Amino acid sequence: SQQGEEDPQALSIQEGENATMNCSYKTSINNLQWYRQNSGRGLVHLILIRSNEREKHSGRLRVTLDTSKKSSSLLITASRAADTASYFCATDTSGGSYIPTFGRGTSLIVHP
Amino acid sequence: EAGVTQSPTHLIKTRGQQATLRCSPISGHTSVYWYQQALGLGLQFLLWYDEGEERNRGNFPPRFSGRQFPNYSSELNVNALELEDSALYLCASSPGLAGEIAFFGPGTRLTVL
Repeated sequence: SQQGEEDPQALSIQEGENATMNCSYKTSINNLQWYRQNSGRGLVHLILIRSNEREKHSGRLRVTLDTSKKSSSLLITASRAADTASYFCATDTSGGSYIPTFGRGTSLIVHP
Repeated sequence: EAGVTQSPTHLIKTRGQQATLRCSPISGHTSVYWYQQALGLGLQFLLWYDEGEERNRGNFPPRFSGRQFPNYSSELNVNALELEDSALYLCASSPGLAGEIAFFGPGTRLTVL
């Protein structure tokens, strides 16, 4: 079963709007990461947030983490057509081994 | 600095055949992960190698196997191919057991006819 699950499965917005996607996970984590995948290609790392952090920014990206709810959100502000991609959250586990475990992703389409 | 590379880009096989996929990690990275991404199923963890040893494997049958070579490159072998093995196979590397970020290759698209 997937450790992280993204929501919504698909999101369609207009250029300039903000896009928010959520990730829920099941077990305790050391960190949570967000990745982006352009159609049929490899994943690109976007941002890492540690379990003792609540919010992190990188350019137009804002990530929050709520460990009490076992959830995270990724906000992309002022979206662009080039942001069209699938976005995945990945969690490690707290069991000592680092194995990035992914959800099914959110497919984001930004219309120009 | 060169990223993670994978070969071949595309691979077409028939049911029952064997497939071999290759991955070269980023220089200095000792950990290699393999994932299967079938349509609509997200990334499923297959195998993790570090320092030449298999550290963990996902919930896949034994016909999925691999190895890591002394130069840390890795090979994924899939025996007795089935139609449902058709997927994008992604390799990722990280700096080792303490690595926190996985860097992905472009993937190998395996099609089983």
